[in-house]
Amino acid sequence: GEDVEQSLFLSVREGDSSVINCTYTDSSSTYLYWYKQEPGAGLQLLTYIFSNMDMKQDQRLTVLLNKKDKHLSLRIADTQTGDSAIYFCAETPSSGNTGKLIFGQGTTLQVKP
Amino acid sequence: DGGITQSPKYLFRKEGQNVTLSCEQNLNHDAMYWYRQDPGQGLRLIYYSQIVNDFQKGDIAEGYSVSREKKESFPLTVTSAQKNPTAFYLCASSTQYTGELFFGEGSRLTVL
Repeated sequence: GEDVEQSLFLSVREGDSSVINCTYTDSSSTYLYWYKQEPGAGLQLLTYIFSNMDMKQDQRLTVLLNKKDKHLSLRIADTQTGDSAIYFCAETPSSGNTGKLIFGQGTTLQVKP
Repeated sequence: DGGITQSPKYLFRKEGQNVTLSCEQNLNHDAMYWYRQDPGQGLRLIYYSQIVNDFQKGDIAEGYSVSREKKESFPLTVTSAQKNPTAFYLCASSTQYTGELFFGEGSRLTVL
């Protein structure tokens, strides 16, 4: 079935780059998403990548997609303490309802000053 | 400002009581969703609705009920049949064209 896997925790020092990884199983996904959740709040869309792209860059964020390995990564350059949050990877299911996303467990990013 | 409003933000309930969580959106989105979040787990879909007066069960619908009488509103009732209701509940909406979900700020339910 459809599944999205992420490591649960990442700790970096302020100013370093962070790389959060995600693997997915549904090769027919149209879009892949990265969401950010700050403590006690809802999720906010950070960025997304269309499945026919390999890379997308948006300011400090770089998304890399390896379709062969079904691997998605989010790189945050010059990580700041304000980047501390839970990051969720999500894919659109093959069923075609693009709003019914499949989420990973979330990666907690801890940024140390 | 357009967005999704969930209320209440915190709710305490005694065992055996039903509670209803409110979700209102003014984004003119057709689709709305309820997710449950537990620590260390991803989001699990409870119910979703793609159009007014229609909704479908998600992966963990047992013990929950919803209604969609208006496009703007998608309330979730946590019934006494839900065995482990303490969780963080998130409502979302989407246009269905890009798949991007817009989330509310969440409601934290604690059963005493």
